[in-house]
Amino acid sequence: QSVLTQPPSVSGTPGQRVTISCSGSSSNIGSKTVNWYQQIPGTAPKVLIYGTNQRPSGVPDRFSGSKSGTSASLAISGLQSEDEANYYCAVWDDSLKGVFGGGTKLTVL
Amino acid sequence: QVHLQQWGAGLLKPSETLSLTCEVSGGSLNFYYWTWIRQPPGKGLEWIGETNHNGRSTYNPSLKSRVTMSVDTSKKQFSLSLNSVTAADTAVYYCARGSLSSTSQTFDSWGQGTLVTVSS
Repeated sequence: QSVLTQPPSVSGTPGQRVTISCSGSSSNIGSKTVNWYQQIPGTAPKVLIYGTNQRPSGVPDRFSGSKSGTSASLAISGLQSEDEANYYCAVWDDSLKGVFGGGTKLTVL
Repeated sequence: QVHLQQWGAGLLKPSETLSLTCEVSGGSLNFYYWTWIRQPPGKGLEWIGETNHNGRSTYNPSLKSRVTMSVDTSKKQFSLSLNSVTAADTAVYYCARGSLSSTSQTFDSWGQGTLVTVSS
């Protein structure tokens, strides 16, 4: 059971906008920047968002990150079949150090 | 473009010590934090710990008593040692490059992953 809570699964149809939430506390999300990773099964994770809302070069602007209080969100607009993957939030916690959310499986219907 | 290549024993018996090494190419070992992350089969990611070129290391409190990380700057390698393994340590282990800050949790380059199975 992670200290960062994500929904186990979300789904959407091509072209739709979906959001994935990550709920934490004042010792992590509330006071630190948030990162989001995409993992296609069988491969290493890839950073999608760092510093809460920054995109590395090469990541489409369809992906965006935000934070409010002790919760963060990853939004994916213009959903594509290739977006089907597992998504993880990651943040530093004052006590637990590095923590990941439990992961969210995105299904493109 | 930094590249991480990792290796180590893939099959261990309970109570043995897990040892993995990650070699860095295309970039410097200096200034960054170097991290180990694992993923049990079918489950999520778990941060094991991080170390830097000065030997400063921070570990997951739940694994701290069994983990040691080290850096060999001359070989551009960093290593993970986890002792007294049990079946619960069965996972794919990844090495990754962190950022200049130890608290960022931003990992921009990853090794290919090594499946370590603990079984008698």
